[in-house]
Amino acid sequence: SQQGEEDPQALSIQEGENATMNCSYKTSINNLQWYRQNSGRGLVHLILIRSNEREKHSGRLRVTLDTSKKSSSLLITASRAADTASYFCATLETSGSRLTFGEGTQLTVNP
Amino acid sequence: DTEVTQTPKHLVMGMTNKKSLKCEQHMGHRAMYWYKQKAKKPPELMFVYSYEKLSINESVPSRFSPECPNSSLLNLHLHALQPEDSALYLCASSHPYEKLFFGSGTQLSVL
Repeated sequence: SQQGEEDPQALSIQEGENATMNCSYKTSINNLQWYRQNSGRGLVHLILIRSNEREKHSGRLRVTLDTSKKSSSLLITASRAADTASYFCATLETSGSRLTFGEGTQLTVNP
Repeated sequence: DTEVTQTPKHLVMGMTNKKSLKCEQHMGHRAMYWYKQKAKKPPELMFVYSYEKLSINESVPSRFSPECPNSSLLNLHLHALQPEDSALYLCASSHPYEKLFFGSGTQLSVL
């Protein structure tokens, strides 16, 4: 069963704009991860934020985590056409074995 | 070597065939995973192996049979599949509580 819900399901922006995607989950977690997937390919890990962290940065990516609201957001700044992909949040349960993916956001960045 | 290698990349099989999907990693990861992904949907966890032992089976039908011969290899044996089993099958590996490294997947079509 899928734990996470992502919002929006689809997002279309112009190059140079920022993109924000949100993720909500239901149970206690050890960490939350964001992945990117180009059409029909494997997933690529973007960033991991642990349950005791509130914010993390990696290049043009900024992730926040609010465990009281069971939600996370991914911000991509200064987007590029090459950022066009599906983005998934995934939660790792506290036992550390089960990584469950949200429904995903399809991001389209128009040149 | 930070790759997870999956073979074959594409597979077409009939409902009476027996085939196997293979996955290999040389990153020293002791957790390995099989996920199934339908088009425009998130990956769904099927199996988790931890230290070569099956630790999670997400109530997957017995026509899917996983095997972990050693710490670097993971197989998924397929027998008497149904057309609804057509999907992208993704293998992944990780250190405990860390990010997953995914292979590029096997696109399976069952006729």
